[in-house]
Amino acid sequence: QSVLSQPPSASGTPGQRVTISCSGSISNIGSRAVNWYQQVPGTAPKLLIYGNNQRPSGVPDRFSGSKSGTSASLAISGLQSEDEATYYCSGWDDSLNGRVVFGGGTKLTVL
Amino acid sequence: QLQVQESGPGLVKPSETLSLTCTVSSASISSSDYCWGWIRQSPGEGLVWIGSMSFRGITYYNPSLKNRVTVSVDTSKTHFSLRLSSVTAADTAVYYCATSPCITCGMDVWGQGTTVTVSS
Repeated sequence: QSVLSQPPSASGTPGQRVTISCSGSISNIGSRAVNWYQQVPGTAPKLLIYGNNQRPSGVPDRFSGSKSGTSASLAISGLQSEDEATYYCSGWDDSLNGRVVFGGGTKLTVL
Repeated sequence: QLQVQESGPGLVKPSETLSLTCTVSSASISSSDYCWGWIRQSPGEGLVWIGSMSFRGITYYNPSLKNRVTVSVDTSKTHFSLRLSSVTAADTAVYYCATSPCITCGMDVWGQGTTVTVSS
């Protein structure tokens, strides 16, 4: 059971806007920044969003992140076939002496 | 451009200790600009954080693995390591090393991962 909760799957058609939610608690999302990772099958995860809504260099502005209270969201606009991947939310949790926590991942299918 | 690469045995026997190394290039492990971590992914499963070390040398571990895991930095400052003791089949996974600008930050540089199978 993951500390952060994500829907197991999401889907959309090319060009559509898709959002993926991530739910946590006061000890993680509620007080710390949220990061998002994209993992294409067979490859290492890639940092997509950090600090709730910041994009690393090279990440298209079609990807955006937001946070409100103990929940966060990743939005992908102008969906493309290459966006088909599993997306993980993550962050620091202040409980149990401090730890990194992940969501269970959301597999995005581009129909 | 900072890069990291995992290495170690691909097969470990049950009850033995898994030892992996993460070689760092284009940066010094002693730099205050980086923190170092290990993450694993069992077949068909999600990402699980194993442990991290801050640039001050403070270690943080996944509570579910804490009694079996050690993250350390090599004295030569060229790589950091993971040791996981008393392994079982449940420890079979792809193991990744990664870096972040701070202990609470997102991990922005990842290795390609190394597959470890626990089997006799």
